[in-house]
Amino acid sequence: GIQVEQSPPDLILQEGANSTLRCNFSDSVNNLQWFHQNPWGQLINLFYIPSGTKQNGRLSATTVATERYSLLYISSSQTTDSGVYFCAAVHSGAGSYQLTFGKGTKLSVIP
Amino acid sequence: DVKVTQSSRYLVKRTGEKVFLECVQDMDHENMFWYRQDPGLGLRLIYFSYDVKMKEKGDIPEGYSVSREKKERFSLILESASTNQTSMYLCASSFIGQTTEQYFGPGTRLTVT
Repeated sequence: GIQVEQSPPDLILQEGANSTLRCNFSDSVNNLQWFHQNPWGQLINLFYIPSGTKQNGRLSATTVATERYSLLYISSSQTTDSGVYFCAAVHSGAGSYQLTFGKGTKLSVIP
Repeated sequence: DVKVTQSSRYLVKRTGEKVFLECVQDMDHENMFWYRQDPGLGLRLIYFSYDVKMKEKGDIPEGYSVSREKKERFSLILESASTNQTSMYLCASSFIGQTTEQYFGPGTRLTVT
């Protein structure tokens, strides 16, 4: 199956700083999503981005499918951005609908 | 707004009990999924369903079964709960196909004692 690797595993930021989270995947994908897991455990959809670039407020994401990576940018970070960010992908060759998740990046934004 | 709801946020059961976790979505999605999340192991797929009464095993189906009698509802059943099934259970749904966005419910934190 496909492997999804995220980096860094942990990130501590001062409030107001910018950050880039990276997701590498081992094969071609039909679906790539970024999620934020809140303190209560719910996965919040940030982006559906199998290719290209999208922006939503202070967050943006870019996926370069040919080079098998995706980046999530967080600008002017706030304490409410803290939590775990997951990248997940569906392998295009598998005929499966299953999302394979990375291990996540744990972000801590300190005031 | 897509809404996926799960029957309980927290659940405590005893070893050997039969446990039902229910998931309901209101977006007329064909696909529904059950994942479990464990520290160090990440999120793993237990079962998914692409239509009423249809199901496919995921990576870790052992000890679980599922039921989908109506399009909007997908149930996960632990026939005889064991302590190693203590976990966070997350339900998701999406439209048919590989290229569709999955939406998750709030999760059920199950403890088996």
